[in-house]
Amino acid sequence: NAGVTQTPKFQVLKTGQSMTLQCAQDMNHEYMSWYRQDPGMGLRLIHYSVGAGITDQGEVPNGYNVSRSTTEDFPLRLLSAAPSQTSVYFCASSSVDANTGELFFGEGSRLTVL
Amino acid sequence: LAKTTQPISMDSYEGQEVNITCSHNNIATNDYITWYQQFPSQGPRFIIQGYKTKVTNEVASLFIPADRKSSTLSLPRVSLSDTAVYYCLVVGNTGFQKLVFGTGTRLLVSP
Repeated sequence: NAGVTQTPKFQVLKTGQSMTLQCAQDMNHEYMSWYRQDPGMGLRLIHYSVGAGITDQGEVPNGYNVSRSTTEDFPLRLLSAAPSQTSVYFCASSSVDANTGELFFGEGSRLTVL
Repeated sequence: LAKTTQPISMDSYEGQEVNITCSHNNIATNDYITWYQQFPSQGPRFIIQGYKTKVTNEVASLFIPADRKSSTLSLPRVSLSDTAVYYCLVVGNTGFQKLVFGTGTRLLVSP
């Protein structure tokens, strides 16, 4: 059981470049989300989705786009990378019906913007 | 969403019991308390969840007093591998939409 898979694990970008962080889950979870974690800090919610075709903003959505065309995939797009977006990005998923606070996280994608 | 407050860091030694307390004064009637553990370079991992009184699983115990304005995560006989950051979250009846992770409690277990 793969769980939540994030790719790539590491990425270096130049300022102004764009890229997409991929997230896929094989647990048929309705809820998916993206967090970023800066050094020594907690996680901050970027965007989330409660099902295919439905997305909403979290705490820090600026500079990021998401879409949810399938239940399995929830890509995060950086439109024009900035050094302030250097961070570790975590994707998470959960079942809405489970009525618990249990989120399943991926292993993270470490992004450096030069 | 209820705001949580927990200590920034704690130190312990192997074999000791560690109790991490979290304050959530404005918890709502339908909210429940959830704890996560995060090791360096990994995503957070769900540990335990409770609504009131005491919950125990193979990893930890969670104590919640009657007024539910605080909760205590108890880790029995910690080992070096319990060194991690522990997050306390309050989850409302809207589920985990906009679930907020604070800075957590950094636990360091020494030999």
